[in-house]
Amino acid sequence: AQSVTQLGSHVSVSEGALVLLRCNYSSSVPPYLFWYVQYPNQGLQLLLKYTSAATLVKGINGFEAEFKKSETSFHLTKPSAHMSDAAEYFCAVSVGSQGNLIFGKGTKLSVKP
Amino acid sequence: EPEVTQTPSHQVTQMGQEVILRCVPISNHLYFYWYRQILGQKVEFLVSFYNNEISEKSEIFDDQFSVERPDGSNFTLKIRSTKLEDSAMYFCASSGQAFSTDTQYFGPGTRLTVL
Repeated sequence: AQSVTQLGSHVSVSEGALVLLRCNYSSSVPPYLFWYVQYPNQGLQLLLKYTSAATLVKGINGFEAEFKKSETSFHLTKPSAHMSDAAEYFCAVSVGSQGNLIFGKGTKLSVKP
Repeated sequence: EPEVTQTPSHQVTQMGQEVILRCVPISNHLYFYWYRQILGQKVEFLVSFYNNEISEKSEIFDDQFSVERPDGSNFTLKIRSTKLEDSAMYFCASSGQAFSTDTQYFGPGTRLTVL
């Protein structure tokens, strides 16, 4: 069965520092992977997705993620954190014939001035 | 930009009462989903819905739950007799297609508190 594990429920970085949010997946078939972001009092918004094309995927707001099959990872990075990046980030894998999503527990990102 | 909306934002109910959570998906979308997130836990899939019937459902989605598209715009989740453990944030989502690669657009959620 497919699953997703996010390491670190809370990550804190300084403004301008590298953001690295970790996601590892388990899947018996080639996975489709997603990163969603949730700002306070808002819904989940898609940041980027991997659908078996390029392994390095660029998303909105300067985020990108690299699919590494050998490490079963899909870590999210951003070179330079902004205060506006403070939010909760969810990694998810798509399963089933209709693409139902299996989510990780989420990582809350704090950005210090 | 089109968005998924949900009402109410917060619902408080007594154990054993029925609740209906409402969602308005993006207008040209055909596939609809409900997820929930119990505080401190993962977002979990509940059910997917297409062409006026349930496509898939999880083990969580037992006989106490039902979904309906009563008109051309609303998509509802009904919990017939709420339990304390139903307290959670409930998210509605919609997508234009049902492929595994298609993007699901999420609403802001309804926080359900069962007392």
